[in-house]
Amino acid sequence: AAGVIQSPRHLIKEKRETATLKCYPIPRHDTVYWYQQGPGQDPQFLISFYEKMQSDKGSIPDRFSAQQFSDYHSELNMSSLELGDSALYFCASSTDGKATEAFFGQGTRLTVV
Amino acid sequence: GQSLEQPSEVTAVEGAIVQINCTYQTSGFYGLSWYQQHDGGAPTFLSYNALDGLEETGRFSSFLSRSDSYGYLLLQELQMKDSASYFCAAFSSNTGKLIFGQGTTLQVKP
Repeated sequence: AAGVIQSPRHLIKEKRETATLKCYPIPRHDTVYWYQQGPGQDPQFLISFYEKMQSDKGSIPDRFSAQQFSDYHSELNMSSLELGDSALYFCASSTDGKATEAFFGQGTRLTVV
Repeated sequence: GQSLEQPSEVTAVEGAIVQINCTYQTSGFYGLSWYQQHDGGAPTFLSYNALDGLEETGRFSSFLSRSDSYGYLLLQELQMKDSASYFCAAFSSNTGKLIFGQGTTLQVKP
């Protein structure tokens, strides 16, 4: 069965550079969530989209932006990267807009050096 | 706002039963989910409760009491592979957010 696909799996960037993370949800899933997870931390909600419209934002820096495209894939854009942005970034998708069961991708490990 | 509280660590032996509790404060609470995450891996869905009561899925069961804003995950016949972090997560229909607790690290010993 198709799962949530994230790319790239690993990304190394220098401070002040820009990164773009991509997420391809499970087909026919209408909701996408982005999370940031630091070492030993719980996943922190960044932003979500329902039917290509942004539904809510968490503690997402102004340097970050995201969008969901007509084919439902989503991209998280991160500019002026800081060392503290180094983390695992997960994308998850669900079918009913209510996250009764969210399916997570394998994550993108971003390292800022 | 939304917040979830769960113990940070639990240790148990193989074959035992362990219960991981979760209390939540969520406006527009819709349901409580449980996820398992192994080191370096993605969270994987275990169970979901929208209504009060017990949901059983194999060795795992989850319970919810909406009046007490409380739920738990019960793991039976523990196996070494169950060593992982377990997160409760609450969805708010007011905000559209799925918020995770800080996770409980379960260590299963022989």
